[in-house]
Amino acid sequence: EDQVTQSPEALRLQEGESSSLNCSYTVSGLRGLFWYRQDPGKGPEFLFTLYSAGEEKEKERLKATLTKKESFLHITAPKPEDSATYLCAVQGNDYKLSFGAGTTVTVRA
Amino acid sequence: NAGVTQTPKFQVLKTGQSMTLQCAQDMNHNSMYWYRQDPGMGLRLIYYSASEGTTDKGEVPNGYNVSRLNKREFSLRLESAAPSQTSVYFCASSGERGYNEQFFGPGTRLTVL
Repeated sequence: EDQVTQSPEALRLQEGESSSLNCSYTVSGLRGLFWYRQDPGKGPEFLFTLYSAGEEKEKERLKATLTKKESFLHITAPKPEDSATYLCAVQGNDYKLSFGAGTTVTVRA
Repeated sequence: NAGVTQTPKFQVLKTGQSMTLQCAQDMNHNSMYWYRQDPGMGLRLIYYSASEGTTDKGEVPNGYNVSRLNKREFSLRLESAAPSQTSVYFCASSGERGYNEQFFGPGTRLTVL
C-alpha cells in the first residue's frame, strides 16, 4: 500500500524566514509526485509534478525537489500570502493518488 | 472556463437521509474522482471514473455510490447517511489516466447529525 508522511504538521515562519517541508513516501512504482496548495475552505490547487529522483521545479518562492524516498518543498523568503496548507501526493502503478495529511504554513508579517 | 464545479457547497443531513453530490467539469477531461477530506488525514479516494462509462472503487467506497452521467458529470450518492460520513467532499478531474495533474473543485461540506 502506498504511504505518504508529511512533516512537520504545522510551521510558523516570520516573513522572509526560509524553510523546508518534507514528504516521505513509499510507493510501488512511482509515476509521479505531486505538490498542491490548499487555502482554507477551498479545493487543492496544483503546484508541481516531479517524476524522477534528482528532478527539481520552481515557481516563484517555491522549489520542489525529489529523491528516491522523499520530496522537499523549499519556501524562500516567504510572504504572508504563502500561508496555506501544502499537500503532497504520490501516484503509483495503479494510477491512483495517495495524499499526505499536509503541512499548514503560517507566515507572519 | 469554470473548471470543476460542485453543488451544493454546504449540506446538513439527518442520519438515514439520502442525497446526491453533483460535480461537473468543462475541461474535456476523461478521468474524474471523488475524495473525502477529514481533519488530520489526507484526502482519501472514494470512487473514480477513468473514462466515460466506467467507475471503480477507491480506498473508502462503503456507503457511497457513483454515476458517470456523461463525460462532463460525475455524481456521488449517499443512500443512507451516517455520522461517520460527515466530511468535506472534493471532486477532481484529470486529462489522462497517467501523469497529468488533477484539478479540484471547491468542495462540499457535509454534516450528518
